[in-house]
Amino acid sequence: EAGVAQSPRYKIIEKRQSVAFWCNPISGHATLYWYQQILGQGPKLLIQFQNNGVVDDSQLPKDRFSAERLKGVDSTLKIQPAKLEDSAVYLCASSLQGRYQETQYFGPGTRLLVL
Amino acid sequence: DQQVKQNSPSLSVQEGRISILNCDYTNSMFDYFLWYKKYPAEGPTFLISISSIKDKNEDGRFTVFLNKSAKHLSLHIVPSQPGDSAVYFCAASWAGTASKLTFGTGTRLQVTL
Repeated sequence: EAGVAQSPRYKIIEKRQSVAFWCNPISGHATLYWYQQILGQGPKLLIQFQNNGVVDDSQLPKDRFSAERLKGVDSTLKIQPAKLEDSAVYLCASSLQGRYQETQYFGPGTRLLVL
Repeated sequence: DQQVKQNSPSLSVQEGRISILNCDYTNSMFDYFLWYKKYPAEGPTFLISISSIKDKNEDGRFTVFLNKSAKHLSLHIVPSQPGDSAVYFCAASWAGTASKLTFGTGTRLQVTL
């Protein structure tokens, strides 16, 4: 079974530029999560999708971050414009139905450096 | 507000010995706890979990202990192997937020020969 796929793996941009990350979850998984992991910290949930609807985006900086999962499968996370403090690893995860105690499976992440 | 804390950023243990990783939490609503393991350039992978109705859960070399009164959990790895060298994250959730996880800051474990 293929795991969670993410691209690109690395991205370097200058501040005020825009960037987009892509995620393809495990086949059949209805729930998709985007996390931000800043160096030295644990992953922090940015947004959670159930199929193509948003379940939780309470920690998403909506003035610059946006995400979509239009067809309920793959997803894109965008930052526009980027700030220095957005340098982090962006992790995508998926789970079967997003139920309590359900295991989340993570992709390898996209490492973003904002100069 | 750091609701899940891992106060030891790193730990070094000899091969064959026991590794003990600790985690504390402040939110009394948390009732399900997980440990994830992360190798460099890879995403975290699920290792073991425990529900608050238990105080111990075992899976091979890995055992998680939960002390609800102290709001503390620990992961024991016995015996430690070089392949266990990784960053370990503690995470917590509760039924009211379904699958939402709150992660600690991680502990880097190095198992030496």
